[in-house]
Amino acid sequence: KQEVTQIPAALSVPEGENLVLNCSFTDSAIYNLQWFRQDPGKGLTSLLLIQSSQREQTSGRLNASLDKSSGRSTLYIAASQPGDSATYLCAVSPGYSTLTFGKGTMLLVSP
Amino acid sequence: KAGVTQTPRYLIKTRGQQVTLSCSPISGHRSVSWYQQTPGQGLQFLFEYFSETQRNKGNFPGRFSGRQFSNSRSEMNVSTLELGDSALYLCASSLASGSRDEQFFGPGTRLTVL
Repeated sequence: KQEVTQIPAALSVPEGENLVLNCSFTDSAIYNLQWFRQDPGKGLTSLLLIQSSQREQTSGRLNASLDKSSGRSTLYIAASQPGDSATYLCAVSPGYSTLTFGKGTMLLVSP
Repeated sequence: KAGVTQTPRYLIKTRGQQVTLSCSPISGHRSVSWYQQTPGQGLQFLFEYFSETQRNKGNFPGRFSGRQFSNSRSEMNVSTLELGDSALYLCASSLASGSRDEQFFGPGTRLTVL
C-alpha cells in the first residue's frame, strides 16, 4: 500500500527566505507526482506535475524535483512571500486518475 | 475555461439522513474523482469515474456511492449519515491522459453531520 510522508509538518519562515519542502513515498511504481497548495477551508490548487520519466519541473519561483528510485520529491520555493502561506500537499498517482496524498506541510511566511 | 464546480458548498444534515453532492468537471474532462478530507485522516480517495464507469474505489463503506452522467457530471451519495462523515468533500477532474494526467480540484462541499 502506497504511503506518502511530508516533512516538516509545519514551517515558519521570514519573508524572502528560500525553502524546501520534502515528500517521500514507499512505492516507486507511480505515473506522476503532483504538488498542490491549499488555503484554509478551500479546495486544492495544482502547482506542478512531474511525470514519472521527468526529473524536475519549474513554474515561476517554484521548482519540484523527483527521484523515483529513492521515492523522494522536493518542492523548492524561492524568495518566499506572505502570500505563499498555505498548506502544501504532495500526491502520487499509480494511474487511472487516482491520487495518494501526504498529510501536508503548513507554511507560514511572516512579513 | 471554467474550473471544477461543486454544489452545494455547505450542507448541514443529521445522523441517519442521506445526502447527494454534485460535481461538474472542466469542459472536455472525462474523469471525475472524489476525495474526503478530514483533520485526522487527511485526504482519502473515495472513487473515480471515467465515461460513466467506476474505474477505481477507495476503502470506504458501501454507504458511499457515486455515479457519472453522459455529460461527465458526477454525483456522490452518502446514505445513513454518521457523525464521522463530517468532512470536506472534494472532487477533481482530469483528461485521464496517462502520466500527463493533471488533476484539477473544485472548491469542495463542507458537510456537517449533527
